[in-house]
Amino acid sequence: AQTVTQSQPEMSVQEAETVTLSCTYDTSESDYYLFWYKQPPSRQMILVIRQEAYKQQNATENRFSVNFQKAAKSFSLKISDSQLGDAAMYFCAYAGNTGKLIFGQGTTLQVKP
Amino acid sequence: NAGVTQTPKFRVLKTGQSMTLLCAQDMNHEYMYWYRQDPGMGLRLIHYSVGEGTTAKGEVPDGYNVSRLKKQNFLLGLESAAPSQTSVYFCASSYPDGLETQYFGPGTRLLVL
Repeated sequence: AQTVTQSQPEMSVQEAETVTLSCTYDTSESDYYLFWYKQPPSRQMILVIRQEAYKQQNATENRFSVNFQKAAKSFSLKISDSQLGDAAMYFCAYAGNTGKLIFGQGTTLQVKP
Repeated sequence: NAGVTQTPKFRVLKTGQSMTLLCAQDMNHEYMYWYRQDPGMGLRLIHYSVGEGTTAKGEVPDGYNVSRLKKQNFLLGLESAAPSQTSVYFCASSYPDGLETQYFGPGTRLLVL
């Protein structure tokens, strides 16, 4: 069975600085997708970024980028130029052949002004 | 487009009572999902549907039933609510386009006394 692990329950970053959130996963599948979702206090789940496993190039979305290491089964999220609105819980998620999402436990990000 | 909507937003039940949570999507998505989120945890899949008239069990299906009579609606039922079902429930939908991106509703907070 696939698993997703986020080993950092809480992280903090100074406004305008860069922070990296860690995620590791375990799978025997070769084709899959990885996601980072943001959950602000409103509880709405917002897709931040997506990575297809067959793509070697790391995905980027404006200030958000990932470091995808397939052999190490690692998928970290880097947030550059952190903003107060980035404060939220971030979830790493895996989707394999079934399409069902498996979530990590989440990392709460605090952004300090 | 309203996207994915959920009703109600909040509900209090007494142990043993029943209720139905409604999820609706207007994106013509084939797949729909119900998750629960407990404090400090990621989302866990309860049931899902890959098309009208079809449902399947997820990771934590016990105590819940679902129905997908119409493509745009996915109902989650609790026949006899228990305090352990106190949680935030999220509905999501996706299209089988190979991108596996799920779009989430705003969540329903359920308190079982």
